[in-house]
Amino acid sequence: DIQMTQSPSFVSASVGDRVTITCQASQGISTYLAWYQQKPGKAPQLLIYAGSPLQSGVASRFSGSGYGTYFSLTINNLQAEDVAIYYCQQCDSFPLTFGGGTKVDI
Amino acid sequence: ELVESGGDLEQPGRSLRLSCITSGFKFGSFAMGWARQAPGKGLEWVAFIRSNSYGGTSEYAASVRGRFSISRDDSKRIVYLQMNTLRADDTAVYYCARDGLQTYSFDLWGRGTLVVVSS
Repeated sequence: DIQMTQSPSFVSASVGDRVTITCQASQGISTYLAWYQQKPGKAPQLLIYAGSPLQSGVASRFSGSGYGTYFSLTINNLQAEDVAIYYCQQCDSFPLTFGGGTKVDI
Repeated sequence: ELVESGGDLEQPGRSLRLSCITSGFKFGSFAMGWARQAPGKGLEWVAFIRSNSYGGTSEYAASVRGRFSISRDDSKRIVYLQMNTLRADDTAVYYCARDGLQTYSFDLWGRGTLVVVSS
């Protein structure tokens, strides 16, 4: 199974800051990676698929990059509504696996 | 839209069937999946079923293989998760999700249904 390791597990930042979350795969997955945002009490929402394309309707301050085993999600100009837990998910092979999550707080 | 139902309090060893009723898109064209989230924990993928155009085949997490079964009824636009031999560690919110981009990522999620396994 492909293990996904996210860091940090928690980040506290101020409104307007840039926040970067990383996700490392235990083996190469090309760009087969997705990022999700989950707000308290809500279902996850897809932000990024295939490593970098932005899902329709997602704010342009979110961006994704990476290839192989190392990926990152960047939130530019952090907003109060971005408080959430962010998860990466490898889409390369079954079993599909998620990272442990990164909690972003203001 | 995806709406899950069937979650309940059930005893260990018993069975439950979750349903996910879909609307607003061409259900038969998409693969579907189930994921779960134990209380206070992260996301765990559970099961996946391809569209009938791709054979309707299924995949399972090791933790549920042999106990859970995913199926779909394209005429009713429903995807099911049959859960047998329930265990306490199956306690979680179960989400139905759509693979709308054919990338094994999930672009549409339901609100979830809570399954509690306890005696």
